[in-house]
Amino acid sequence: NAGVTQTPKFQVLKTGQSMTLQCAQDMNHNSMYWYRQDPGMGLRLIYYSASEGTTDKGEVPNGYNVSRLNKREFSLRLESAAPSQTSVYFCASRLDVAKNIQYFGAGTRLSVL
Amino acid sequence: ELKVEQNPLFLSMQEGKNYTIYCNYSTTSDRLYWYRQDPGKSLESLFVLLSNGAVKQEGRLMASLDTKARLSTLHITAAVHDLSATYFCAVDFSGAGSYQLTFGKGTKLSVIP
Repeated sequence: NAGVTQTPKFQVLKTGQSMTLQCAQDMNHNSMYWYRQDPGMGLRLIYYSASEGTTDKGEVPNGYNVSRLNKREFSLRLESAAPSQTSVYFCASRLDVAKNIQYFGAGTRLSVL
Repeated sequence: ELKVEQNPLFLSMQEGKNYTIYCNYSTTSDRLYWYRQDPGKSLESLFVLLSNGAVKQEGRLMASLDTKARLSTLHITAAVHDLSATYFCAVDFSGAGSYQLTFGKGTKLSVIP
């Protein structure tokens, strides 16, 4: 049971570099989400995709872009990484947008130097 | 804007004791979730509360929801060391026709032998 798979698990970037975080789910879920987790801040929503073909901004979208490649995959791109983007990033999915559990991936630990 | 407040944020308790974690939220919602996170790990769903008066129990943990008071509680009975983790509540909030989870900042629980 793979569930939600994120790659990579760890990444170190220099300021200004770009990278894409990958997320895939095998539960046939319609909705997918990207969060960042910082100490003492809980989880904050970056972007989400309510269904294939749609994406919307969350609470902290600045500096990020997303692509819902297909129903399974939802990627997060940092075009020009900044130290403020050092964080743990979690991808999540759920069957539909309401009244369903969100299932989380293992996370990507990103450091921007 | 939906705000979700947990208290306490840090909790150190002895094995065998009882305690309650509180989750208050600022906007009407009838969907609340509790998650557990172990250090360096992902989030694991504990409870889904979908209506006023809902009560769910699993082992030494019991969660309840009072939508009129906009309050959920997570009660710990006779704590054991294995319950040491960070616990998050999350509230479903409808914005622009789509539901998003807003998380509290988490309660870090340490159970001391």
